[in-house]
Amino acid sequence: EPEVTQTPSHQVTQMGQEVILRCVPISNHLYFYWYRQILGQKVEFLVSFYNNEISEKSEIFDDQFSVERPDGSNFTLKIRSTKLEDSAMYFCASKPSGGSTDTQYFGPGTRLTVL
Amino acid sequence: GENVEQHPSTLSVQEGDSAVIKCTYSDSASNYFPWYKQELGKRPQLIIDIRSNVGEKKDQRIAVTLNKTAKHFSLHITETQPEDSAVYFCAASLYDYKLSFGAGTTVTVRA
Repeated sequence: EPEVTQTPSHQVTQMGQEVILRCVPISNHLYFYWYRQILGQKVEFLVSFYNNEISEKSEIFDDQFSVERPDGSNFTLKIRSTKLEDSAMYFCASKPSGGSTDTQYFGPGTRLTVL
Repeated sequence: GENVEQHPSTLSVQEGDSAVIKCTYSDSASNYFPWYKQELGKRPQLIIDIRSNVGEKKDQRIAVTLNKTAKHFSLHITETQPEDSAVYFCAASLYDYKLSFGAGTTVTVRA
């Protein structure tokens, strides 16, 4: 069964550095999402992406964050200047189409540690 | 925006007993309610979902009920087994919009 994949599984970076988290959604999916989960807390929505543009973003997703679909398979999340509070597990998710008939499938996550 | 509350935060049950987790949501327009199971260090996995035009759905030992009037939905696990031990998250959304998650319930099944 196809799955969402994410790389790297763990990223350690220094505060102020840029990081790029990569995701490969399931191939026939059209809707893409990034969520994050701070250790011990709930999963929080960051951004949704459809038709090569952001469709919705949360208040967490400020100017330091950006997303891109550089080719037909990858979906990336960039954090320009990381802060300590960006340390979290970042999950990518994808969904086949719009409407109320489809489920979001999550990737295994990238654990980001900002020192 | 949507606010999802989930209770209890932890639940310990004897193997073979039932477990019930309850969630409430605030946005009456929400129409999709999935439940995810997350084992330690792993991705959230969908275990069951329900749409607003249905009041109850069952899949083997797992069932979900939805009360749209009261804006609450519940997960029921019967005949619990050790492999049911995990964190369970409820969520709510409207069509293809974002999922709003509850805070999670840590379920421990005692052998």
